[in-house]
Amino acid sequence: DAGITQSPRHKVTETGTPVTLRCHQTENHRYMYWYRQDPGHGLRLIHYSYGVKDTDKGEVSDGYSVSRSKTEDFLLTLESATSSQTSVYFCAFSEADREEYFGPGTRLTVT
Amino acid sequence: QKEVEQNSGPLSVPEGAIASLNCTYSDRGSQSFFWYRQYSGKSPELIMSIYSNGDKEDGRFTAQLNKASQYVSLLIRDSQPSDSATYLCAVRGNYGQNFVFGPGTRLSVLP
Repeated sequence: DAGITQSPRHKVTETGTPVTLRCHQTENHRYMYWYRQDPGHGLRLIHYSYGVKDTDKGEVSDGYSVSRSKTEDFLLTLESATSSQTSVYFCAFSEADREEYFGPGTRLTVT
Repeated sequence: QKEVEQNSGPLSVPEGAIASLNCTYSDRGSQSFFWYRQYSGKSPELIMSIYSNGDKEDGRFTAQLNKASQYVSLLIRDSQPSDSATYLCAVRGNYGQNFVFGPGTRLSVLP
């Protein structure tokens, strides 16, 4: 997976609970991204980061927050999970405007 | 709203044939174009990137870009059953803008 891991790989949680997904990369890349993938919608950008403590919103950021306190870690938090956040979440990294490389994904189910 | 469009498929081709996957984009300022392959239950993996008008070949894969027509395609020669997957087109605009993904085309290569 090109030096990028995600944890957990699967999670089932209840509506209203907080959830944090972790993305870890080992190659010191500056740019990191969080996507969600849903049938009929494809990959949609949630948040992205262009450096430590530098983050910005993507297309579908409502209900999500992120943090990046170290280059290698990018955390995605669902403050209060809802059923509409049931999805597969992918983390990715890139160098500036070059290719993005994806982690293995986290399948999240909110019941 | 920047859009990337692909036929959802499924596109079925016999083994050994050429598979042709197409992608159109709305942002005329787009500069970088990428093709990803995604097997069911797996993360997207990069096949090719293309930045200039014309053809770019890598093994059995050829990417074609026509910026005037806002069109990018992927040809897969000598298609194999192992090429059966969903193919995602991704477009990046000027100045390192974030990716916009198409919905993907599902390809089925029949033995």
